[in-house]
Amino acid sequence: NAGVTQTPKFQVLKTGQSMTLQCAQDMNHEYMSWYRQDPGMGLRLIHYSVGAGITDQGEVPNGYNVSRSTTEDFPLRLLSAAPSQTSVYFCASNTAGDRGYTFGSGTRLTVV
Amino acid sequence: SQQGEEDPQALSIQEGENATMNCSYKTSINNLQWYRQNSGRGLVHLILIRSNEREKHSGRLRVTLDTSKKSSSLLITASRAADTASYFCATKTGGFKTIFGAGTRLFVKA
Repeated sequence: NAGVTQTPKFQVLKTGQSMTLQCAQDMNHEYMSWYRQDPGMGLRLIHYSVGAGITDQGEVPNGYNVSRSTTEDFPLRLLSAAPSQTSVYFCASNTAGDRGYTFGSGTRLTVV
Repeated sequence: SQQGEEDPQALSIQEGENATMNCSYKTSINNLQWYRQNSGRGLVHLILIRSNEREKHSGRLRVTLDTSKKSSSLLITASRAADTASYFCATKTGGFKTIFGAGTRLFVKA
């Protein structure tokens, strides 16, 4: 049981490039979320999904797109990378009810 | 603006002492969760308390919730060097969103 798997673990992009951060979970969780974590700050919610085909915006959605075509996968797309998107990105999943999230190990992204 | 704010931002204690961290939030919640993050790692869920609960225990962890003051506290008893980490509170509001605070960095000296 792998839990939540994020790839890649590290990535360096040039300003203006696009890329997709991958997230997959094998726990059949309905809920999946993307957060970014910046130094000295907590996690800020980017986008989330309550099931396949359903996504919504979080606190800081600008510059990011998501889709949820399957229960297992929830990729995060950076449309045109900017230095302000340099951060550590975490994917998390959860199921219905009062339960905590299961987090992936994160993707450390640097935009130069 | 973030829903939850932890206090203190950083805490340094000796092994064996108790560590108390506080979390305040702004809006009504369904539940409040506490997570631990070791340096460079993902977050690990520690404990969840529902809005209709006032106190919950799990091993050396004790969480209290005061919805009238919109605040929660996490107590770690008899702390160990391995408890050194950042601790975050997260609140689940109506709907699905779970919003995290900025965290408390705990350092336990051996």
